[in-house]
Amino acid sequence: GAGVSQSPRYKVAKRGQDVALRCDPISGHVSLFWYQQALGQGPEFLTYFQNEAQLDKSGLPSDRFFAERPEGSVSTLKIQRTQQEDSAVYLCASSFRRDTEAFFGQGTRLTVV
Amino acid sequence: DQQVKQNSPSLSVQEGRISILNCDYTNSMFDYFLWYKKYPAEGPTFLISISSIKDKNEDGRFTVFLNKSAKHLSLHIVPSQPGDSAVYFCAASVGNQFYFGTGTSLTVIP
Repeated sequence: GAGVSQSPRYKVAKRGQDVALRCDPISGHVSLFWYQQALGQGPEFLTYFQNEAQLDKSGLPSDRFFAERPEGSVSTLKIQRTQQEDSAVYLCASSFRRDTEAFFGQGTRLTVV
Repeated sequence: DQQVKQNSPSLSVQEGRISILNCDYTNSMFDYFLWYKKYPAEGPTFLISISSIKDKNEDGRFTVFLNKSAKHLSLHIVPSQPGDSAVYFCAASVGNQFYFGTGTSLTVIP
């Protein structure tokens, strides 16, 4: 596709449930980012991939959060044992290089009930 | 610790007038700055960027100004149009990370 695609668009999870969020970046983009955006806030960095290598995961809030990009294209953000505070929009972005503008997907809105 | 700050949560401007959105940052190591525009239920859309070696970048109705000594970034939209109504985020980059402000909601009144 022409842009970054994320699925699902909306996810409602019961507290304690595991979820997996998918990101299809723009073809050929080396860099991939995951962000978490709470209501009324700007996106907060979670993790960064360069191809299949996860070079920075300093923003992941806990060890319940795990991200992978095994073949250097599609990425999955997994949240285990979801908590209410995990409710947010999760944004994926990709860029051609680390130092060029990142293009965002529409996000996945996760609601933990 | 918020490294990028947008102190105005909202701004209203008449159609045809200039919109000025402001952004302040604290980290002098930031080397790349961007503005994103966001409509409800959509992801942020890249608007314009500027490298730290420049002080101005212009693209059509949009101009970004960078004042490194003041650690201040601004976006000028002129003339403003109703379709510009959205939330605008500024972002700054160092290393692998982009740091975002909390956004300014712009309303352009017809």
